[in-house]
Amino acid sequence: DIVMTQSPDSLAVSLGERATINCKSSQSVLYSSNNKNYLAWYQQKPGQPPKLLIYWASTRESGVPDRFSGSGSGTDFTLTISSLQAEDVAVYYCQQYYNTPITFGPGTRLEIK
Amino acid sequence: QVQLQESGPGLVKPSETLSLSCTVSSGSINNNHWSWIRQPPGKGPEWIGYISHSGYTNYNPSLERRVTISVDMSKNQFSLNLSSVTAADTAVYFCAKRGDWFDPWGPGTLVTVSS
Repeated sequence: DIVMTQSPDSLAVSLGERATINCKSSQSVLYSSNNKNYLAWYQQKPGQPPKLLIYWASTRESGVPDRFSGSGSGTDFTLTISSLQAEDVAVYYCQQYYNTPITFGPGTRLEIK
Repeated sequence: QVQLQESGPGLVKPSETLSLSCTVSSGSINNNHWSWIRQPPGKGPEWIGYISHSGYTNYNPSLERRVTISVDMSKNQFSLNLSSVTAADTAVYFCAKRGDWFDPWGPGTLVTVSS
């Protein structure tokens, strides 16, 4: 199984400031034949299902604000929120779909400082 | 945008079988993969498995001996059966579209395993 880890476990950022969440996979999720990274990011608010933010490591889902961006390749990935808004308070998960079993990271809790 | 809704008992006794259904609305169950994912209280999501519209399944090896996912095209539904449940199976169970990334998700249903 591909093990996903995230850092930090929790993060407090001031409104309007940048938030950076890291995700690492235990093996590469880059498929060489199409040069795509099989990694997605989700946002989960209390009592709600996870919401897809990004897939292919950097492709923003339709309707997701452009302050959210994904980067990285191979085994190391980053989700960046360029200017934190109050509604961004949530837990964020990365997920690999390079192979099965599909696996998620443990989550990073983002709060307002 | 397709919408999903889970349904089934919220309480299951240990050693019994957990059975849930997911109804797909505002869209067809054809030509897609459909997944089950669960999330124990306070923990991250765990992928259970997926089924294609043609009935091909892929399960998490950690649950494979106990899991069956099936599809009913006539009802635009797919279902999850998890046998021999224990307290460790207590979780919010979600259904979702796709078998790579997941979007959209149903709202989820809490299933508690307790006597």
